[in-house]
Amino acid sequence: EIVLTQSPATLSLSPGERATLSCRASQSVSSYLAWYQQKPGQAPRLLIYDASSRATGIPARFTGSGSGTDFTLTISSLEPEDFAVYYCQQRSSWPPKLTFGGGTKVEIK
Amino acid sequence: QVQLVQSGAEVRKPGSSVKVSCKASGGTFSNYAINWVRQAPGQGLEWMGGVIPVFGTTHYAQKFQDRLTITTDGSTRTTYMGLSSLSSEDTAVYYCAVATVARDYFDCWGQGTLVTVSS
Repeated sequence: EIVLTQSPATLSLSPGERATLSCRASQSVSSYLAWYQQKPGQAPRLLIYDASSRATGIPARFTGSGSGTDFTLTISSLEPEDFAVYYCQQRSSWPPKLTFGGGTKVEIK
Repeated sequence: QVQLVQSGAEVRKPGSSVKVSCKASGGTFSNYAINWVRQAPGQGLEWMGGVIPVFGTTHYAQKFQDRLTITTDGSTRTTYMGLSSLSSEDTAVYYCAVATVARDYFDCWGQGTLVTVSS
């Protein structure tokens, strides 16, 4: 099983600041990585897929990068609605053996 | 655009089973794999498995291989997730999810169903 490790566990920032979230895979997943945002009481929302493609309706301040084992989600300037938990997920194998990272909470400083 | 509506909250005793439904509207039902993801209280997301209605094939995470059953009813556009031999560790919100943009990236989610396992 491919293990995804996210860091940091918590990121304390102010609105307007830049957020940089990391996801590291235990083995190469090529570019088959997604990022999700989840707010309390809500289902996750897909932000980025294939490492760097923004999903429909996702603002340009969200940028994904990386390949192989190291990936980054960058939020260029935090808006109040961006404070949430973010998960990475890989889909590198077939038949599917999907895994999620443990999450990074972006909280208001 | 696909919309997914799940059945309501369930309470079960340890050792029993639960079956949660997920009804799809919009889109072409048979084209999409319906997957199930769960989230224990205060914890992260965990993929359980999925089904591809057009092929009738299922894929399960190894952890759930022995006690998870995912089925579909094309006539009602409903997918079911059955989990047996429940323990308190199965207390979680269970989500169904569909990937419409690219395989196995979930851009459409149900509202979630809370399953509580307690004696």
